[in-house]
Amino acid sequence: NAGVMQNPRHLVRRRGQEARLRCSPMKGHSHVYWYRQLPEEGLKFMVYLQKENIIDESGMPKERFSAEFPKEGPSILRIQQVVRGDSAAYFCASSPPTGGSGTDTQYFGPGTRLTVL
Amino acid sequence: QKEVEQDPGPLSVPEGAIVSLNCTYSNSAFQYFMWYRQYSRKGPELLMYTYSSGNKEDGRFTAQVDKSSKYISLFIRDSQPSDSATYLCAMREGPNFGNEKLTFGTGTRLTIIP
Repeated sequence: NAGVMQNPRHLVRRRGQEARLRCSPMKGHSHVYWYRQLPEEGLKFMVYLQKENIIDESGMPKERFSAEFPKEGPSILRIQQVVRGDSAAYFCASSPPTGGSGTDTQYFGPGTRLTVL
Repeated sequence: QKEVEQDPGPLSVPEGAIVSLNCTYSNSAFQYFMWYRQYSRKGPELLMYTYSSGNKEDGRFTAQVDKSSKYISLFIRDSQPSDSATYLCAMREGPNFGNEKLTFGTGTRLTIIP
């Protein structure tokens, strides 16, 4: 029973390049969440997606950041024109369909550590 | 003021001691409370999940929630060196659709000394 998978685990980019982070949810899970963890800080919510829909992007920076969860394939977090301040660990979490109850917990992947030179 | 406050530590205790970890929060709409354990350079692992006020026990772990004081705790009995990790409290509103995002504390770094 594979858990949440993220790749790459480590990503190095130079300022101005694009970063693409991928997340495959646990089997049977259709909800995906992205969080960012800066050094010495807790995890900060970025975006919540279901298949082909962005449900809540209240934590997403307005510029350069985008996320998608297509009908087929993994969820992608894309950061365009990266800057040094984007260096962080990016975690993906998934949860199963809630059936409207909204009470299911989130299970986290191992994270992608982005370093911007 | 942060929505969730957590003492970052570090906290060092001898093996076998009882560990007490705490968080306070300001948002009275939080209803679901979680504790995650995170080993160095790994993803958070869910330890405990509780709804509203009360206690929940699972093996050596006990979670307490006091909504009237906006205070949650995690107790670890008979602590082991393998418990050395960062412990993150997390909470969310809900259960309404759209309230799924978790708000985390900054984490407490715990070391159990053999």
